[in-house]
Amino acid sequence: QRVTQPEKLLSVFKGAPVELKCNYSYSGSPELFWYVQYSRQRLQLLLRHISRESIKGFTADLNKGETSFHLKKPFAQEEDSAMYYCALSDSGAGSYQLTFGKGTKLSVIP
Amino acid sequence: GAGVSQSPSNKVTEKGKDVELRCDPISGHTALYWYRQRLGQGLEFLIYFQGNSAPDKSGLPSDRFSAERTGESVSTLTIQRTQQEDSAVYLCASSLEGGPPQHFGDGTRLSIL
Repeated sequence: QRVTQPEKLLSVFKGAPVELKCNYSYSGSPELFWYVQYSRQRLQLLLRHISRESIKGFTADLNKGETSFHLKKPFAQEEDSAMYYCALSDSGAGSYQLTFGKGTKLSVIP
Repeated sequence: GAGVSQSPSNKVTEKGKDVELRCDPISGHTALYWYRQRLGQGLEFLIYFQGNSAPDKSGLPSDRFSAERTGESVSTLTIQRTQQEDSAVYLCASSLEGGPPQHFGDGTRLSIL
């Protein structure tokens, strides 16, 4: 299983839409997550696809056909600047042995 | 407590020495995870505890690595005969029973000279 985040760095202007890309390869039934690490803060869970919720204005839809789980927000805010990691788990496994991508650093320009 | 606590925050040691890393999870969190992150890489799973048992230790890279947890609380990760490739940030996370890693510690930055 593999998680690919093609962009190491993404810069957008405040108020612009933002999309952080995540593609995965996995033959089973995956569960997908987004984690975020703000400057000088700890890594934390942002959202998981089974919750189908919006957190801090962010949403992510699992597209099994395209094997993608892109994170989107219609209007970026300065406080969204952070490191974002996409992660995958086998939903049938006994533990959340997550496979992480290498991360994308989002920079929101004022 | 205030969150997941890890110690030490930094550790520099010579190749071949043993090191012990500690994690204090959030009180009441029965699930505990160890990950490591090498420079420029994503997080790599090491081991998962549910209570004091480790049903999944498939990520431990070699028999030099071991971990234990006691009292459904504190966990220690021990690396014997350290090698330079062990240099990384070691992260601990905890969550409520059955949940994915939710709350991470600040990590221990391990440097092997």
